[in-house]
Amino acid sequence: KQEVTQIPAALSVPEGENLVLNCSFTDSAIYNLQWFRQDPGKGLTSLLLIQSSQREQTSGRLNASLDKSSGRSTLYIAASQPGDSATYLCAVTLIKAAGNKLTFGGGTRVLVKP
Amino acid sequence: NAGVTQTPKFRILKIGQSMTLQCAQDMNHNYMYWYRQDPGMGLKLIYYSVGAGITDKGEVPNGYNVSRSTTEDFPLRLELAAPSQTSVYFCASSYFPSGGYSNQPQHFGDGTRLSIL
Repeated sequence: KQEVTQIPAALSVPEGENLVLNCSFTDSAIYNLQWFRQDPGKGLTSLLLIQSSQREQTSGRLNASLDKSSGRSTLYIAASQPGDSATYLCAVTLIKAAGNKLTFGGGTRVLVKP
Repeated sequence: NAGVTQTPKFRILKIGQSMTLQCAQDMNHNYMYWYRQDPGMGLKLIYYSVGAGITDKGEVPNGYNVSRSTTEDFPLRLELAAPSQTSVYFCASSYFPSGGYSNQPQHFGDGTRLSIL
């Protein structure tokens, strides 16, 4: 069974510092990995999707890397801002998963202090 | 741009009551999903549908039922509400080509916060 883990569960940094969020998964037979942002009381917004054949994806200040062989992905957020405060979740799609289902990690709650 | 719309946003139920959580999407997506999120946890899949008339169980289906009579709507029904069903429920949708995988992300609604007392 695929297990997705995000450590730490919570993170607090001063504004301007770079954020590094970790995601690990036990089954490397994935089709893709996604990073989502969740604001309090809101749904999930997709940030980046990395296909299994890719090593990284970038969007503005966000960069996500994928190392399938070691079962790890890292989300980097450069020059953090208070508006980056949110919960970040990673999720994988297993190649063998019917319905292209996502398996989620527990999330990392980020607070960026002004 | 409506996207995925969930109603109601909040609801309090008594033990044993029943209710239906509504989900509608206007993106002509064929795949739809229901997840629950418990405090401090990730999302767990309850049920999913790959098209109108086709549904299947996810990881935590007990106590829930779904139907998919149209492409747009995917309601989730709780028949006998129990305190363990207190959670935030999210509906999501995505498009996948027939029989294949896709790298399109899932689109989520804002959730329904449900308390069972």
